[in-house]
Amino acid sequence: NAGVIQTPRHKVTGKGQEATLWCEPISGHSAVFWYRQTIVQGLEFLTYFRNQAPIDDSGMPKERFSAQMPNQSHSTLKIQSTQPQDSAVYLCASSPGTVNTGQLYFGEGSKLTVL
Amino acid sequence: QQQVRQSPQSLTVWEGETTILNCSYEDSTFDYFPWYRQFPGKSPALLIAISLVSNKKEDGRFTIFFNKREKKLSLHITDSQPGDSATYFCAASVDSGTYQRFGTGTKLQVVP
Repeated sequence: NAGVIQTPRHKVTGKGQEATLWCEPISGHSAVFWYRQTIVQGLEFLTYFRNQAPIDDSGMPKERFSAQMPNQSHSTLKIQSTQPQDSAVYLCASSPGTVNTGQLYFGEGSKLTVL
Repeated sequence: QQQVRQSPQSLTVWEGETTILNCSYEDSTFDYFPWYRQFPGKSPALLIAISLVSNKKEDGRFTIFFNKREKKLSLHITDSQPGDSATYFCAASVDSGTYQRFGTGTKLQVVP
């Protein structure tokens, strides 16, 4: 089992450019979560899917962020018109999603740097 | 607002001592409380978790104590080792299947 796979591991963009981050959850896991981590804000929830359906995106900055899960094997997080404050490590996690199995399995993260 | 609070922000203990990390929450609907450990340059990984039905959860040197009335938890690490040096996050969710809210973490350093 390869674990949660995130690509790219590092991305540098210029202000105003678009960034797309990819996540492949653990096979068989029904829930996929996106978080971002910064020194100042810590671990912030962005959005999550269950069985590919969007369940809660209350943590997403609505104007420039969007997430999709077109099939059970991958999810994408897209940031349009990136700003320096978007610089963070974006973490994808998956979970079996069954009752009383709340463990999140995190990928290694995608470090986004906006210049 | 921060729904899950942790203290202290950082802590240094000697090898062999017992480490106590604190966590508190506001939302009474939370019923699942995992603790994650994150080593530098790595992602968080589940260490131990407790649900509302329990007051205590033990796994080796790690024990969670849960005071439901005061909405407080603590993670005790007995016989702390240098390899325990990491950042520890307390999290909470409404049942184990929804998204978890994370505290700001406690950075632990264990000195030989």
